[in-house]
Amino acid sequence: GAGVSQTPSNKVTEKGKYVELRCDPISGHTALYWYRQSLGQGPEFLIYFQGTGAADDSGLPNDRFFAVRPEGSVSTLKIQRTERGDSAVYLCASSPMGGNNEKLFFGSGTQLSVL
Amino acid sequence: SQQGEEDPQALSIQEGENATMNCSYKTSINNLQWYRQNSGRGLVHLILIRSNEREKHSGRLRVTLDTSKKSSSLLITASRAADTASYFCATPGGTSYGKLTFGQGTILTVHP
Repeated sequence: GAGVSQTPSNKVTEKGKYVELRCDPISGHTALYWYRQSLGQGPEFLIYFQGTGAADDSGLPNDRFFAVRPEGSVSTLKIQRTERGDSAVYLCASSPMGGNNEKLFFGSGTQLSVL
Repeated sequence: SQQGEEDPQALSIQEGENATMNCSYKTSINNLQWYRQNSGRGLVHLILIRSNEREKHSGRLRVTLDTSKKSSSLLITASRAADTASYFCATPGGTSYGKLTFGQGTILTVHP
């Protein structure tokens, strides 16, 4: 596709449920990033993939959060036993190679609401 | 944690005026980027300035970088109502790859 695609655009779930958020990066981009943004704040880094492997998962808040990118393209962010504090916009971004001087291309995000 | 801090947190101006936003950061960097976000959703890259550059222009945007003061500014000249958005500075996370650390942003409102 022409840009980074995220689905769903909105997800409403109940506390304790499991959710999956999908990201389809720009074709050919080897680097993929997940960020989380709370209202009134800047995006907060969660995890970075280089190809299929998670090169840095230091931003994942706890073991309820997990992400995969099995074929080096589409990525899924998985959240178990959701809590109300998980409510936020989850942003995905990609870049060609993950180099230090590359700009990130962002998707439109998934608004997650945990009731 | 967020490295960058934008100032002001909110800015309200009239169309045609210039808008200046500032960003301060804490650690040494080799580049700094500015992004724009409409309606709290996807961010769009505006400009990247490297540590060996002091000023960079792109259309109506002018970015400066002062590494001795660990600060950057974004100037939007002749603002338009369509410039209304949140603006974020972002710096590399301290490693060799493209992980970025974002500031809290400046909310710019341009009144027609």
